[in-house]
Amino acid sequence: ETGVTQTPRHLVMGMTNKKSLKCEQHLGHNAMYWYKQSAKKPLELMFVYSLEERVENNSVPSRFSPECPNSSHLFLHLHTLQPEDSALYLCASSQATRSRGNEQFFGPGTRLTVL
Amino acid sequence: AQTVTQSQPEMSVQEAETVTLSCTYDTSESNYYLFWYKQPPSRQMILVIRQEAYKQQNATENRFSVNFQKAAKSFSLKISDSQLGDTAMYFCAFIMDSNYQLIWGAGTKLIIKP
Repeated sequence: ETGVTQTPRHLVMGMTNKKSLKCEQHLGHNAMYWYKQSAKKPLELMFVYSLEERVENNSVPSRFSPECPNSSHLFLHLHTLQPEDSALYLCASSQATRSRGNEQFFGPGTRLTVL
Repeated sequence: AQTVTQSQPEMSVQEAETVTLSCTYDTSESNYYLFWYKQPPSRQMILVIRQEAYKQQNATENRFSVNFQKAAKSFSLKISDSQLGDTAMYFCAFIMDSNYQLIWGAGTKLIIKP
């Protein structure tokens, strides 16, 4: 595997289910991100981890719970979601340095549908 | 508040033509970085071009170039000799040197017609 991978690619879940999204980066980066992409809206940053420590949490509802066990893996645990949470969830990674201007590399995304 | 505006929701040009996508942004910071990302249909988001705000020289990457006007807070993308593979959503974004949040525009859907 190369780059940033995400599983599953598609997920359909009911509002009472619990599921997890997985992201893995093979680039040796030390910062990872979760984004939500909805149609015709700017990407929304959900969580940022740098050196496995969460550094940003943009007022995301508690039904989304991130986990970063090491610098290569990132999870997004989902429970009791709402239909408006249906979207494409993108994972990205970058090299965290003093400069914030490093390129972010994206995975293919998980298309989530909440029924 | 920091914002990015892409005023063209959709554009369509013939193959081999030149097309310019517009982007304006708003920030009170002086140190930041600007990006254009491309998201082809059902494919991954990839970086097209990057500009450091402290550099006056416009960035270029092969057929892609930017017109960076810092005072006007404008960062347009020019695609020369457009190709069918350039069909994609194009997103303008910037990040300040003081935090981790990349601020995104809503995107421009670019269609290259044969």
